[in-house]
Amino acid sequence: GQNIDQPTEMTATEGAIVQINCTYQTSGFNGLFWYQQHAGEAPTFLSYNVLDGLEEKGRFSSFLSRSKGYSYLLLKELQMKDSASYLCAVSGSARQLTFGSGTQLTVLP
Amino acid sequence: SQTIHQWPATLVQPVGSPLSLECTVEGTSNPNLYWYRQAAGRGLQLLFYSVGIGQISSEVPQNLSASRPQDRQFILSSKKLLLSDSGFYLCAWSVKWDEQYFGPGTRLTVT
Repeated sequence: GQNIDQPTEMTATEGAIVQINCTYQTSGFNGLFWYQQHAGEAPTFLSYNVLDGLEEKGRFSSFLSRSKGYSYLLLKELQMKDSASYLCAVSGSARQLTFGSGTQLTVLP
Repeated sequence: SQTIHQWPATLVQPVGSPLSLECTVEGTSNPNLYWYRQAAGRGLQLLFYSVGIGQISSEVPQNLSASRPQDRQFILSSKKLLLSDSGFYLCAWSVKWDEQYFGPGTRLTVT
């Protein structure tokens, strides 16, 4: 089976940097995805990691360590619009995605 | 560019009534298609996926079913809804097993 853990809630201040962690246990590994979901809306794709290391995309970066079963999403220069739920999802041996329960990020002024 | 449509956007149905939710994708051929359900404050639960016309894989046994009558059409159905079927239903597509792109969702309330 697959198990994905991420914190339920986080709070940060506008302009700051926040790191959202995700740990996983899977049978097989074919990549890790991060999605952003605003309240009442569908998730939108943010990043994909399949090899160890850091992938940077503008204000957002995602890191993966396959040996540790660990990933994080780094958000820089936080803006109020970044308040959302961030979902970690893993593609295992069967290739379907298993999603974590999401981390609700609140950005304060 | 690719677009994914879902309808209806919201639905209120009594217990025991049937259900039909439709999803269509434009701008791509032979996509993988997926149905997810998200309960309030929870993560996404994969219900069904399809890698081609008429090919449906079920992830969770329940009173729901799915069909793919055309390459870019995916339908979620139920003969008799339960209260526990309430939730936010999301359709998604992907090119093979790459990143998935979600439709706007259907919010279903079973009363």
